[in-house]
Amino acid sequence: SQQGEEDPQALSIQEGENATMNCSYKTSINNLQWYRQNSGRGLVHLILIRSNEREKHSGRLRVTLDTSKKSSSLLITASRAADTASYFCATAPRYNNAGNMLTFGGGTRLMVKP
Amino acid sequence: DAGVTQSPTHLIKTRGQQVTLRCSPISGHKSVSWYQQVLGQGPQFIFQYYEKEERGRGNFPDRFSARQFPNYSSELNVNALLLGDSALYLCASSLAADSYEQYFGPGTRLTVT
Repeated sequence: SQQGEEDPQALSIQEGENATMNCSYKTSINNLQWYRQNSGRGLVHLILIRSNEREKHSGRLRVTLDTSKKSSSLLITASRAADTASYFCATAPRYNNAGNMLTFGGGTRLMVKP
Repeated sequence: DAGVTQSPTHLIKTRGQQVTLRCSPISGHKSVSWYQQVLGQGPQFIFQYYEKEERGRGNFPDRFSARQFPNYSSELNVNALLLGDSALYLCASSLAADSYEQYFGPGTRLTVT
């Protein structure tokens, strides 16, 4: 089963615009991560935010985490056509004796038009 | 440095057959995890292996099994294939069992007809 739900499921924007994707989850987490996937291939790790952090930046990416609402958002600023991909949030549970298992959401398909 | 490698890239099998997928982790990484990604969905955790021992198992039937070798490479086996097993199978490696940053391979696309 998938813990996270992502919103929207699909997003189409023009190059240069900002893209915002949201993720909600159900259980207590140790951290939340965002991944990108191009054309159904492997996942690329973008950013990890720990449960005691509220905001994190990496280049054009900004991630926020609200543990009280069990939600996170990923903002991509000044989008480029190369940002076209599917984006997934993944959570690592706080109490887990099963190693580093991640639970993924359903993903947001982002299309950036030139 | 080479990333996570998986073989084969694509595979077509018939219902009832068995399949073995292979994964080589990043050099120095001792943990390997397997995920199944059905088209249009996010990946689902199948197994994690660390130092040749199973560290975690997802909600998959016993038809799914895996093992890890002394060189930390891993195989995922699926018996008695069903149409619903058609998916992209992703392998991820990490330094240790509790390392949350995972590095994914390109995946193996399995089609069951």
